[in-house]
Amino acid sequence: GENVEQHPSTLSVQEGDSAVIKCTYSDSASNYFPWYKQELGKGPQLIIDIRSNVGEKKDQRIAVTLNKTAKHFSLHITETQPEDSAVYFCAASQGYSTLTFGKGTMLLVSP
Amino acid sequence: GAVVSQHPSWVICKSGTSVKIECRSLDFQATTMFWYRQFPKQSLMLMATSNEGSKATYEQGVEKDKFLINHASLTLSTLTVTSAHPEDSSFYICSALLAGSSYEQYFGPGTRLTVT
Repeated sequence: GENVEQHPSTLSVQEGDSAVIKCTYSDSASNYFPWYKQELGKGPQLIIDIRSNVGEKKDQRIAVTLNKTAKHFSLHITETQPEDSAVYFCAASQGYSTLTFGKGTMLLVSP
Repeated sequence: GAVVSQHPSWVICKSGTSVKIECRSLDFQATTMFWYRQFPKQSLMLMATSNEGSKATYEQGVEKDKFLINHASLTLSTLTVTSAHPEDSSFYICSALLAGSSYEQYFGPGTRLTVT
């Protein structure tokens, strides 16, 4: 089955800096890669996703890149703000099938 | 759009009793819903996949007789924890797959279950 590795487990940045979280996946058949933000005591919120036919996708301060050859994808957050502090999960799936999640990255943005 | 609700948001029950958790897609239809369990500081663990009108598919190691799942309509799935024990205490989260051509799964806010 699919295996998703996520790094780092924790990431501390100063407000205004950029943050990058990286994930690798094992199943070359995976074609959908979402990123979720989870705040304490809440459910995960879909913040951006990318499909295998696209190399990069951007939405304001958030971007995701995908390298199918290397089987890794990354989340980039620019101009970080304290409200970006949360746990971020990457995931992979084959379309409508179940998601396989990474272990999560706790992002701490200090004012 | 794409809002998923869960009820209750938290529940405390006594050991041996059963608890039902509801998951609703408020503004879209979901032919497939998923149930996850999450322990503190850990990732989401898929428990089962629920398809409307059919039996749920459980992940290996999840007791289907203990975690009863019903998906009676395109907007409602329920998870019943039967004969709950303290080790069942956890954060239960559902997600709904947007029907149609997209792959997006939208998650509910979660239900905190505490079994005393």
